[in-house]
Amino acid sequence: EVQLVESGGGLVQPGGSLRLSCAASGFIFSTYWMGWVRQAPGKGLEWVANIKQDGSEKYYVDSVKGRFTISRDNAKNSLYLQMNRLRAEDTGVYYCARVDQGNGMDVWGQGTAVTVSS
Amino acid sequence: SYELTQPPSVSVSPGQTARITCSGDELPKQYVYWYQQKPGQAPVMLIYKDSERPSGIPERFSGSSSGTTVTLTISGVQAEDEADYYCQSGDSSGFYVVFGGGTKLTV
Repeated sequence: EVQLVESGGGLVQPGGSLRLSCAASGFIFSTYWMGWVRQAPGKGLEWVANIKQDGSEKYYVDSVKGRFTISRDNAKNSLYLQMNRLRAEDTGVYYCARVDQGNGMDVWGQGTAVTVSS
Repeated sequence: SYELTQPPSVSVSPGQTARITCSGDELPKQYVYWYQQKPGQAPVMLIYKDSERPSGIPERFSGSSSGTTVTLTISGVQAEDEADYYCQSGDSSGFYVVFGGGTKLTV
């Protein structure tokens, strides 16, 4: 079964850091682009970042550039999102997703909640 | 920054046809994807590359495009189709992803 499982969410103070992880199974992880999408409470979906199969290309939404870093470990079938200098507006559920069929996201994890608050 | 525009809400009666639009300047040049999200759940891909349907998605969901507007059509709407629907595409480079604001479908 194709599956993505996120972990690492939690409560963090403004200015703090958090590292999200996504464990992939059921498919050849190293052959797919991967990405992160977030959703603030009661709001819509917002793309955060994508990473190429070998990690050589990374793209970010403007609001997280310089603060967030997407990375992957193909040997461990894992995707990561290092989040630094967190702000209240970074609060939300963060989804890991497999990128396929061009730029679409065909497999999603269940999400991990991040709350930035003092 | 590039934006995709969707109506905030659409309302239909069971058995009717629902049409949800998504507008954006780059849509003639970039593929569009559609997702369904029910409360407390992760999104599910309904349509990829404008009009293709992943396996397991009912035939009543279809996608079409015309210029800078794409449309998700749900034929014979059922109560279980009540959800939020999002379109997604890319900017002119194709590497930066953008989602529409979402449309709440009420049945």
